Amino acid sequence: QKEVEQDPGPLSVPEGAIVSLNCTYSNSAFQYFMWYRQYSRKGPELLMYTYSSGNKEDGRFTAQVDKSSKYISLFIRDSQPSDSATYLCAMSRNSGNTPLVFGKGTRLSVIA
Amino acid sequence: GAVVSQHPSWVICKSGTSVKIECRSLDFQATTMFWYRQFPKQSLMLMATSNEGSKATYEQGVEKDKFLINHASLTLSTLTVTSAHPEDSSFYICSARGGQDRFEAFFGQGTRLTVV
Repeated sequence: QKEVEQDPGPLSVPEGAIVSLNCTYSNSAFQYFMWYRQYSRKGPELLMYTYSSGNKEDGRFTAQVDKSSKYISLFIRDSQPSDSATYLCAMSRNSGNTPLVFGKGTRLSVIA
Repeated sequence: GAVVSQHPSWVICKSGTSVKIECRSLDFQATTMFWYRQFPKQSLMLMATSNEGSKATYEQGVEKDKFLINHASLTLSTLTVTSAHPEDSSFYICSARGGQDRFEAFFGQGTRLTVV
């Protein structure tokens, strides 16, 4: 079993839809959770970051962490064609000098 | 958010030559930097972890003599691909974490290396 599982998609939605992206993980020691957006041929861009369980909202984006279920989600409201990208979840045990563990990424297309 | 600058964004080199890629954290001190390789439509593959002032830790299967990593300061890490071959052609991305006071990791823009 991989440490982090993420459905690669592709996921295609109409403009304005609510998008739900998810990851599950197996290591209960993970405490720090991040979501990145990556456009083609670009480096990943940090969208959201959370520590431990709970929700965090920033504009059209909401990140949720459920540590009891080892499940994290990213919701995108009022999706736009410019949201079309690959979304990567990432997590780590500590805040220091350990690398993040990534999901494979979900390819999202928002159709105008 | 914090800025990590990676240079060059793309490079074409001849087989057998060496290429150096720079990664700079512009507005925070990056105690740790990471180097990744990414193939088309694939996720990030960690190559090595470098801590300022010490030798890099390479992932299994990554040739440390081919991929030389130097992290001489808290704001600069370099990856040198030595004696490059066409199979080294890929997208290389660096990432930096700032230590105990911030846990997020920030990425550079990536470098597309083509070896001909």
